[in-house]
Amino acid sequence: DAGVTQSPTHLIKTRGQQVTLRCSPKSGHDTVSWYQQALGQGPQFIFQYYEEEERQRGNFPDRFSGHQFPNYSSELNVNALLLGDSALYLCASTRETEAFFGQGTRLTVV
Amino acid sequence: GNSVTQMEGPVTLSEEAFLTINCTYTATGYPSLFWYVQYPGEGLQLLLKATKADDKGSNKGFEATYRKETTSFHLEKGSVQVSDSAVYFCALSRPPYNQGGKLIFGQGTELSVKP
Repeated sequence: DAGVTQSPTHLIKTRGQQVTLRCSPKSGHDTVSWYQQALGQGPQFIFQYYEEEERQRGNFPDRFSGHQFPNYSSELNVNALLLGDSALYLCASTRETEAFFGQGTRLTVV
Repeated sequence: GNSVTQMEGPVTLSEEAFLTINCTYTATGYPSLFWYVQYPGEGLQLLLKATKADDKGSNKGFEATYRKETTSFHLEKGSVQVSDSAVYFCALSRPPYNQGGKLIFGQGTELSVKP
């Protein structure tokens, strides 16, 4: 059983560009959450999708948007990238209880 | 607001030493509490959890007890191994999606165990 998979693993973008990160949840999981983890910090909640709708959202600007597809996979989009957006982006999938995390996408904005 | 505070690291211990990592929380209502572990280059793994006051979560020799009176969820292990070297995160989630919803994390505590 594959766990949570994220792609790509690493990414370098230029300030002002847009980026799309992808997540495939664990089999049978219908809820996907996204987190931003800056270096040396704990993960910060961006938003959560359930049944293709955003169910909860953290304190992130509208530049951060997402989508969930009918197969429960999800995308995180970030527009107008800032240097401060450089971080590890983690996806977690859940079905009612425990959250399982992917290995993350390391985004570097230069 | 809701928050989690962990003791600062890094924590360096010798193998077989006793480990305590302190965690306190601020939250309204009745949160669920978690400890996650992050090994180098990997995502987070759930280590243990407790969903109500006085519950004790345990896994792989680690334990933590949900203390509502002191709003704490300290992580303990009686004898650490080199393989326990990692970053440990305390976290909480609140109703209505307690165990499947938004997680609020502490800043993490890095543990280094020397042979």
